[in-house]
Amino acid sequence: AQSVTQPDIHITVSEGASLELRCNYSYGATPYLFWYVQSPGQGLQLLLKYFSGDTLVQGIKGFEAEFKRSQSSFNLRKPSVHWSDAAEYFCAVVPNTGTASKLTFGTGTRLQVTL
Amino acid sequence: SQTIHQWPATLVQPVGSPLSLECTVEGTSNPNLYWYRQAAGRGLQLLFYSVGIGQISSEVPQNLSASRPQDRQFILSSKKLLLSDSGFYLCAWSGRTSRLSYNEQFFGPGTRLTVL
Repeated sequence: AQSVTQPDIHITVSEGASLELRCNYSYGATPYLFWYVQSPGQGLQLLLKYFSGDTLVQGIKGFEAEFKRSQSSFNLRKPSVHWSDAAEYFCAVVPNTGTASKLTFGTGTRLQVTL
Repeated sequence: SQTIHQWPATLVQPVGSPLSLECTVEGTSNPNLYWYRQAAGRGLQLLFYSVGIGQISSEVPQNLSASRPQDRQFILSSKKLLLSDSGFYLCAWSGRTSRLSYNEQFFGPGTRLTVL
């Protein structure tokens, strides 16, 4: 079965600093890959997704992610963090087969932004 | 545009009481529907998914059940709640039309359930 690892439970960065959140997956073939963001007490919002093609994908709110097949990674980056980016971030994968999109989520990384 | 609603937003229930959480989707037809649970300090766990009316697949054995009485309605239920049922419950949908990515899921605002 596929799995997703987000090795960093909690990250603190200063406003204006760059950010990279790590995500590694374990799956026999290249799955579809997603990053979601969750503000406290709210649902999840899709930041970006990778299905195929260009391995560097752009998302909303200035985020981007790079798919590296050799490392089974899909790390999320932002060049300059804003205080409003403080939230929890989830990486997720789904096999590119089947009739339902059964997402497997990582355990999340909580981002704190200091002013 | 498509929207997804969940209610109630918060719920406090005693152990042993029944549960009914509702999720409805607007602006699309024949969606895939999903129930997730997020326990405190943990990631999201898929509980149930449905690809059509009356079609429910369970991902984990548990005290909960799901039903889909209408195309855009998904209900999460329990006959007797346990303390371990506390958590944040999220409903999601994914479309299967040609305009939408097949595997992309859109999440509702969630229901915070506290079992005392």
